[in-house]
Amino acid sequence: QQQVRQSPQSLTVWEGETAILNCSYEDSTFNYFPWYQQFPGEGPALLISIRSVSDKKEDGRFTIFFNKREKKLSLHITDSQPGDSATYFCAASGSSGSWQLIFGSGTQLTVMP
Amino acid sequence: AQTIHQWPVAEIKAVGSPLSLGCTIKGKSSPNLYWYWQATGGTLQQLFYSITVGQVESVVQLNLSASRPKDDQFILSTEKLLLSHSGFYLCAWSLGQGANTEVFFGKGTRLTVV
Repeated sequence: QQQVRQSPQSLTVWEGETAILNCSYEDSTFNYFPWYQQFPGEGPALLISIRSVSDKKEDGRFTIFFNKREKKLSLHITDSQPGDSATYFCAASGSSGSWQLIFGSGTQLTVMP
Repeated sequence: AQTIHQWPVAEIKAVGSPLSLGCTIKGKSSPNLYWYWQATGGTLQQLFYSITVGQVESVVQLNLSASRPKDDQFILSTEKLLLSHSGFYLCAWSLGQGANTEVFFGKGTRLTVV
């Protein structure tokens, strides 16, 4: 049972372009959605997160757009840089009584110089 | 200073041998602690979580066990390794109630079972 889905599996963009990574979920009780960035051989690093009460969260070049009705969200990376090349994971968690953070399968982003 | 430290960095172990992986959190009082497993090129699967010393909850059954002997320490172990145990083991921490708060990961331990 895949509760958090990500697409595309891999994405290649040119330096300076905007990369768009998609995520969808099934459980309507999910209310917290972090995105993690992971480089090969390293642990994932928290990049940006959003709660379901918001429809947009921005942090520098990274922006999350959230559509609660459609249970979809996306991560936009503007002015992509080669150093952004990594795997990005969308995750979801529910109410404060839930101790599970459920991850999607990841999107491998490559930014070409 | 590094908040979360995992050891060892990497291990190569034989099938059927025991395993013990460790994680220490510094500078955080009573953190929530988690163990995750990641297959090569795969997603992260939560294995265990602990919200207090001595209490550990299992999320999935993978013939592994976990213990929290101290407030700042989380141990993952098994008496008999399987080939399927190979992968990347990640310890993580958070503060507050539930997993809908910021969760931070360590650098991981790469386990190869041969």
